[in-house]
Amino acid sequence: DTGVSQDPRHKITKRGQNVTFRCDPISEHNRLYWYRQTLGQGPEFLTYFQNEAQLEKSRLLSDRFSAERPKGSFSTLEIQRTEQGDSAMYLCASSPPGGFGYTFGSGTRLTVV
Amino acid sequence: QKEVEQNSGPLSVPEGAIASLNCTYSDRGSQSFFWYRQYSGKSPELIMFIYSNGDKEDGRFTAQLNKASQYVSLLIRDSQPSDSATYLCAVRGNYGQNFVFGPGTRLSVLP
Repeated sequence: DTGVSQDPRHKITKRGQNVTFRCDPISEHNRLYWYRQTLGQGPEFLTYFQNEAQLEKSRLLSDRFSAERPKGSFSTLEIQRTEQGDSAMYLCASSPPGGFGYTFGSGTRLTVV
Repeated sequence: QKEVEQNSGPLSVPEGAIASLNCTYSDRGSQSFFWYRQYSGKSPELIMFIYSNGDKEDGRFTAQLNKASQYVSLLIRDSQPSDSATYLCAVRGNYGQNFVFGPGTRLSVLP
């Protein structure tokens, strides 16, 4: 296992289009997290899954954002009707049961033009 | 008021010196505290965590926690140019699994 994998690495999209990102966590990790990071800021929490259940969701996650983890393995994050303010690095992280820290993936950099 | 605050820097230290990175947090119920290192264009990587008052050492790194003062710090001894990065302080509260991250402090170790 090579760690947390995210796809794509980069995405450029026109405003108003929908985009979907994928995250494959470390296989034995049952917890999966999505964060968003803009330049010069720390990551901001978006949502958290334990297995297939979405247990926490930030106020930052507007109705245009949806995340799924249907079989408790990989997860997808979809942004509908993208806006320029959605441009950011979208980071996925995972952790094992009882684990303290996260392992982050390399991120998906989204640019909305 | 920001929940986790850090001096954005840049903090410049000469090679071989001790770098001291500071973080304050507002939620008194916070239980565990983490330091992540992030190189430019890369994702954060965990350096160490601490959840009890006092010091915790791991190699050249020492984390210090003072819950009464709501303060956590990271000391890097014998700083190397490869330590040049942004250091993120992250705090986990009583409830939930998510972290609140500070904005990060940019460290520059000068050869």
